[in-house]
Amino acid sequence: AQKVTQAQTEISVVEKEDVTLDCVYETRDTTYYLFWYKQPPSGELVFLIRRNSFDEQNEISGRYSWNFQKSTSSFNFTITASQVVDSAVYFCALSEAGNTDKLIFGTGTRLQVFP
Amino acid sequence: DAGVIQSPRHEVTEMGQEVTLRCKPISGHNSLFWYRQTMMRGLELLIYFNNNVPIDDSGMPEDRFSAKMPNASFSTLKIQPSEPRDSAVYFCASSLWGANTEAFFGQGTRLTVV
Repeated sequence: AQKVTQAQTEISVVEKEDVTLDCVYETRDTTYYLFWYKQPPSGELVFLIRRNSFDEQNEISGRYSWNFQKSTSSFNFTITASQVVDSAVYFCALSEAGNTDKLIFGTGTRLQVFP
Repeated sequence: DAGVIQSPRHEVTEMGQEVTLRCKPISGHNSLFWYRQTMMRGLELLIYFNNNVPIDDSGMPEDRFSAKMPNASFSTLKIQPSEPRDSAVYFCASSLWGANTEAFFGQGTRLTVV
């Protein structure tokens, strides 16, 4: 069964701290795709990253980095030197190649960055 | 491209009334998704279409909900009759089918049923 777990409901940090958002997934497919989306207070869902199951290379984009580990079925997201503008709800999502683009989301982690 | 366009942005209706939410996907995208977001249940996939055909509607809560996609550029989600527990933000998203690419979301419709 397809499932995404984000165990952290809410995280609060002070500006400039590093923060890691956890994501654990379950799938029976060998080919699958993982995503992170950001939902700022304005409400829209913004795509951040997509990884496929064959590419375990970590990725860095500015202050954002992602750590994909198949051995632990995890796809964690780290924000370095957090800023107030990073305050949002972050969702991890999974789609299976055999399930034609059906995106299943985790319950989200609310990140609050205080000045 | 203007992105995924949803209308209305806000809808307030009385219990028992019919509500129709509208979505225009990104041109060229052939997968379309309807999601519902509530505090209690998070983001739930209600139904999705590939090439205008409903593929999986297992997330549709009950018979009061129906969705259609008459052509590649338009979809509706209808609730009839509406109930207060249907109050939520409804998102439409589209993607390029078969590529497991990212889905692009509309800005959502905030529905309040009083």
